Amino acid sequence: DQQVKQNSPSLSVQEGRISILNCDYTNSMFDYFLWYKKYPAEGPTFLISISSIKDKNEDGRFTVFLNKSAKHLSLHIVPSQPGDSAVYFCAASVMDSNYQLIWGAGTKLIIKP
Amino acid sequence: DAMVIQNPRYQVTQFGKPVTLSCSQTLNHNVMYWYQQKSSQAPKLLFHYYDKDFNNEADTPDNFQSRRPNTSFCFLDIRSPGLGDAAMYLCATSRVSNQPQHFGDGTRLSIL
Repeated sequence: DQQVKQNSPSLSVQEGRISILNCDYTNSMFDYFLWYKKYPAEGPTFLISISSIKDKNEDGRFTVFLNKSAKHLSLHIVPSQPGDSAVYFCAASVMDSNYQLIWGAGTKLIIKP
Repeated sequence: DAMVIQNPRYQVTQFGKPVTLSCSQTLNHNVMYWYQQKSSQAPKLLFHYYDKDFNNEADTPDNFQSRRPNTSFCFLDIRSPGLGDAAMYLCATSRVSNQPQHFGDGTRLSIL
């Protein structure tokens, strides 16, 4: 049972445009959400997070939106740059839980010049 | 720079031959995690330590063991690797449970 789903295995976006990566979850107990970025042959790197008390968190070019009623979150990257080409993982957890992050399968973002 | 270091980056072993992967951290984080990741799949948590307290995920095979001799080091032992254990193994740390996890670059394990 996949509790965190990233339904798009890949996404191609023109440099300078907005990239929107989507993530859906099924467990209403999740209250903390994170996005990680992974380059080939490297470990995932933490990008941005949001707790369920917020519906938006922004850090430079990266903004995460949370829609609790739809159990949906999205990561917006604007403007997209070639260095943003990577696999992006969405992860969720219950903050008072046993440390476990539940991960999506990832979306490969390709930024075209 | 404070970091999470995994050695080796690539490991080849024979079917059934025990193998140990290592992870060290200079972040002085309390929690250390081991994940298994296969191609195009989400990372799968195998176990974690909070300080010396070991927590095994229910579906982690008995073939997988871990040791944390001190705060800085954590080891993953695979007692009798099978072909299905070929994967990327990721080590991660966090200061406490609800903080973002910091990952090493992983060890890619191949089984001959």
